[in-house]
Amino acid sequence: DGGITQSPKYLFRKEGQNVTLSCEQNLNHDAMYWYRQDPGQGLRLIYYSQIVNDFQKGDIAEGYSVSREKKESFPLTVTSAQKNPTAFYLCASSIADQRTDTQYFGPGTRLTVL
Amino acid sequence: GQNIDQPTEMTATEGAIVQINCTYQTSGFNGLFWYQQHAGEAPTFLSYNVLDGLEEKGRFSSFLSRSKGYSYLLLKELQMKDSASYLCAVVDSNYQLIWGAGTKLIIKP
Repeated sequence: DGGITQSPKYLFRKEGQNVTLSCEQNLNHDAMYWYRQDPGQGLRLIYYSQIVNDFQKGDIAEGYSVSREKKESFPLTVTSAQKNPTAFYLCASSIADQRTDTQYFGPGTRLTVL
Repeated sequence: GQNIDQPTEMTATEGAIVQINCTYQTSGFNGLFWYQQHAGEAPTFLSYNVLDGLEEKGRFSSFLSRSKGYSYLLLKELQMKDSASYLCAVVDSNYQLIWGAGTKLIIKP
């Protein structure tokens, strides 16, 4: 079955620690995205990647970092510099980075900072 | 600024029809998406409208009026499994995707 996987489903972190969220897709999509979802707000774009070894900042990139060493993988690191990291994080992919392309989402990772 | 408005929450009865509205003010327009998201799960694609009019897909239909900056999602023959949040998202003139906060739909027996 083709799809996007994110792990873990739930993640707890102490303040001051970095943590990496995994995102893998086997849809052969070129573009991948990371969003943050908070209650009462629309999805906000953190980073996106159009192609391997290339990525761009989204609207709220501060305190986050990414890498795109393989087409299938787009991990997100939440650093200690992120002031309010507790949120639901969604990874998505699309055939190409045309925002008119349908995006397919992973099941999400809920990060809680203790 | 860019803005997408959706009602925060709606309640409907099983078997009935419900219309979820989305109004937008964006810098240009290149299409509008509707996604369904069950609590704690991934959003899943429902529809994409770029031209005015109504598009029907089974029990779900989506309408767009570009001149009014308005779309709605129409759900017929509601089922309990339709309880979810419905997200409206607009592609602006810079091909950025702007997301609404979503409408939580509660279905009652």
